Amino acid sequence: EVQLVESGGGLVQPGGSLRLSCAASGFTFSTYGMNWARQAPGKGPEWISHITGSSGAVYYADSVEGRFTISRDNAKNSLYLQMNSLRAEDTAVYYCVSPLITTTNRVHWGQGTLVTVSS
Amino acid sequence: EIVMTQSPATLSLSPGERATLSCRASQSIANNLAWYQQRPGQAPRFLIYGASTRATGIPARFSGSGSGTEFTLTISSLQSEDFAVYYCQQYDNWPRTFGQGTKVEIK
Repeated sequence: EVQLVESGGGLVQPGGSLRLSCAASGFTFSTYGMNWARQAPGKGPEWISHITGSSGAVYYADSVEGRFTISRDNAKNSLYLQMNSLRAEDTAVYYCVSPLITTTNRVHWGQGTLVTVSS
Repeated sequence: EIVMTQSPATLSLSPGERATLSCRASQSIANNLAWYQQRPGQAPRFLIYGASTRATGIPARFSGSGSGTEFTLTISSLQSEDFAVYYCQQYDNWPRTFGQGTKVEIK
C-alpha cells in the first residue's frame, strides 16, 4: 500500500523558516519524481515544486521560487521542503504528492500538514 | 504559465442527475489533463488522467473527454458521495496548474 506521511508543519512568524518532511512507502521511491502542493484555506490546490527521482532537476512555482527548496533522500525514502522567508500568504495545508504510480494506477496524496504563518 | 478555467463555478443538481463539468486550457495541452475530487476536510482524490482514463477504483459513472484546450468531466448519475468540489489540472508544462474548481451541490 502506498503511503505518504507529511510532518513538520506548525505556527511560524513572518520571515521565519520551517522544514517539512514526507515519509514514503509502498513503492520504489527512487524511481519516481515527487511533488509538493499546498492548499490555502478556502482555495483550490496549488502545485509548488517537483524533484526528479535522481534529484537531477527541480521545478518551482513562481510564488515560492528563491524561498523554498525541495530535496530528497532516496536511502530514507523521504522528501523534504525547506521553506524560508515565510509570508502570511504561505499559510496552507502542504501535501506530498506522488506522480502516477504504475503499480497502483493512481496519484497519491498525503494527509497534509498545516503551516500557519502569523505573528 | 498555462491558465486553467473551469465552468460553471457551482452546479446544483439532484441525486441521479447527470453532471457535466468543463475545463479550458489557455493553450493546447494535448491530453495531459487530470481531474480530482475533493470533499471537505480531505485531500484531493485522483479521478482521471490522460483526459479520459479512470484511475484505479474510480466508478464507471465518472468519464472524461477532450483534448487540446477543451475538456469535460461527466458524472452519469450523481450519487450522494459525489457532491464535492472538482478540479482539473494540466501536467503538460511547468508549472503544473489547477483550475479554480467546480462545486457540485445538492439542489
